[in-house]
Amino acid sequence: DIVLTQTPLSLSVTPGQPASISCKSNQSLLHSDGNTYLYWYLQKPGQSPQLLIYEVSNRFSGVPDRFSGSGSGTDFTLKISRVEAEDVGVYYCMQSIQIPRSFGQGTKLEIK
Amino acid sequence: EVQLVESGGVVVQPGGSLRLSCAASGFKFDDYTIHWVRQAPGQGLEWVSLIAWDGVTTYYADSLKGRFAISRDNSKNSLYLQMNSLRTEDTALYFCARDKFPYGSASPDYWGQGTLVTVSS
Repeated sequence: DIVLTQTPLSLSVTPGQPASISCKSNQSLLHSDGNTYLYWYLQKPGQSPQLLIYEVSNRFSGVPDRFSGSGSGTDFTLKISRVEAEDVGVYYCMQSIQIPRSFGQGTKLEIK
Repeated sequence: EVQLVESGGVVVQPGGSLRLSCAASGFKFDDYTIHWVRQAPGQGLEWVSLIAWDGVTTYYADSLKGRFAISRDNSKNSLYLQMNSLRTEDTALYFCARDKFPYGSASPDYWGQGTLVTVSS
């Protein structure tokens, strides 16, 4: 099974400052079709998860451009260029190259 | 507008059975793979199962095989999760979620609000 390891598990950020979350996989997420199946979600307090980034670096509809994804193979990063108060919650990466699908442990973002 | 509405979550005794439902609207249901994902209280997300658009291909988390069964009725735009031999560790909020791409099998884009299953004596 694929294990995704997120770091840090929590971070506290001043509004307007950047934030970065790492997601490392124990196997490559690059498929033979050329796509890399790594997704990022944000679960705001009391809400369902919402898709932020699909296939490493593609922002989902309506996601602000302060969110960006990068990486390849087994190492991936979600960056928020300027954190806003509405960005609080838990961020998860997810892989969909292999069954069973799996999530990282989650990274809780708080505002200072 | 894509909508997914789960129902069926209740308090059930260990060893009991339960069927969850997910009603979909706002998209062509029979073009999409649908997932179940659960979240134990205060914990992270755990992928449970998926069913392809045609209802034939299904996959499960290893720990659930043989106890849970996913199905769909495309004529009713509905997804189901039959849960048997329930354990206290199955206590969680269960989400249904639509796959990102039609005729694909990747990760979800839209999620429902979840239905709470509590397994307790």
